[in-house]
Amino acid sequence: GENVEQHPSTLSVQEGDSAVIKCTYSDSASNYFPWYKQELGKGPQLIIDIRSNVGEKKDQRIAVTLNKTAKHFSLHITETQPEDSAVYFCAASIGGNTPLVFGKGTRLSVIA
Amino acid sequence: GAVVSQHPSRVICKSGTSVKIECRSLDFQATTMFWYRQFPKQSLMLMATSNEGSKATYEQGVEKDKFLINHASLTLSTLTVTSAHPEDSSFYICSASSGLAGGYNEQFFGPGTRLTVL
Repeated sequence: GENVEQHPSTLSVQEGDSAVIKCTYSDSASNYFPWYKQELGKGPQLIIDIRSNVGEKKDQRIAVTLNKTAKHFSLHITETQPEDSAVYFCAASIGGNTPLVFGKGTRLSVIA
Repeated sequence: GAVVSQHPSRVICKSGTSVKIECRSLDFQATTMFWYRQFPKQSLMLMATSNEGSKATYEQGVEKDKFLINHASLTLSTLTVTSAHPEDSSFYICSASSGLAGGYNEQFFGPGTRLTVL
């Protein structure tokens, strides 16, 4: 089955700097790659996703890139702010109603 | 759009009692709902997949007689933790999928329910 690896597990950046989180997946049939942000005591919030027919997607300060050949995808956050501090999870799915497979998460701390 | 609610947000119960958690999709019809549990500082662990009108599919190691899942309508799924014990204390989260994203499994999560069993 699908296996998703996520790195790093923790990341500290200065406010205003960029943050990059990387994930790899194992199943070449995966076609959907969402990123979730989870704040303490809350459920995960979908912040951006990318489908396998696209190589890059951007939404304001957040971007995601996908390399299907290498089977990895990355989250890029520019101009980080303290409110970006949270745990970020990547996930992969082969589509339909099959469950998402999650990475172990990255705890991002943005230092003011 | 794509709002999922859970109730209650927190529950404390005595060992041996049963607890029901509701998950509702507020502005879309959810053909499939998923139930997860999450321990502190860990990732989400899928417990079961629930399709409306069908029996839930449980992940390996999850006791179906202990964690009863009902998905009776396109907007409501319930998880009942039966005869709860302290080891069942966890953060339970549901997610919902409309199945309308062109074959892509877009899932939206509820805010979670913190269960504490004394």
